Amino acid sequence: SQTIHQWPATLVQPVGSPLSLECTVEGTSNPNLYWYRQAAGRGLQLLFYSVGIGQISSEVPQNLSASRPQDRQFILSSKKLLLSDSGFYLCAWSPRALQYGYTFGSGTRLTVV
Amino acid sequence: GQSLEQPSEVTAVEGAIVQINCTYQTSGFYGLSWYQQHDGGAPTFLSYNALDGLEETGRFSSFLSRSDSYGYLLLQELQMKDSASYFCAAQDTGRRALTFGSGTRLQVQP
Repeated sequence: SQTIHQWPATLVQPVGSPLSLECTVEGTSNPNLYWYRQAAGRGLQLLFYSVGIGQISSEVPQNLSASRPQDRQFILSSKKLLLSDSGFYLCAWSPRALQYGYTFGSGTRLTVV
Repeated sequence: GQSLEQPSEVTAVEGAIVQINCTYQTSGFYGLSWYQQHDGGAPTFLSYNALDGLEETGRFSSFLSRSDSYGYLLLQELQMKDSASYFCAAQDTGRRALTFGSGTRLQVQP
């Protein structure tokens, strides 16, 4: 069966520090991968999505970046965090042929102080 | 771009039926999904409609009217564990990722 792993679960980082969040999927090949961010009590904002290795689409201009170095690995990064980067970061995957039934990771709660 | 509107909060009693509405505006609509998210948890997929009509999955049903740009999630025989946030999400023909609504917080009271 397919599983998605996301870590760390919580993170407290100072302003100006770098960030690296990792997400891996097991049990499937060629998944679509997504990064969303959720502010407290709000909806999910799409940050990046990827349909293949090295293929990244960015939705919101910001100081975040994403990379997909392997088929089932998706990394979210920042060189210098801002206070406004605080939030709940969610990685998700969907089968290539079905682009609506997302499976989400357990999320990373990031607090920038 | 796309935008989806949902009520921010709905309250219902255990055993009742509740309907959560979603209206959308999109240039190339393809389908509407629904997700459930408990506090502190990740969203989980509930249902999907690409065609007009009702899709039933146990106690949950979802409806879509493409001509009205409208859909709803119907929850029957409400249980306390149904207290959660519910999100509609639209898929369009051009963008290969879902756009989510702001969510409806459902509170089920005894």
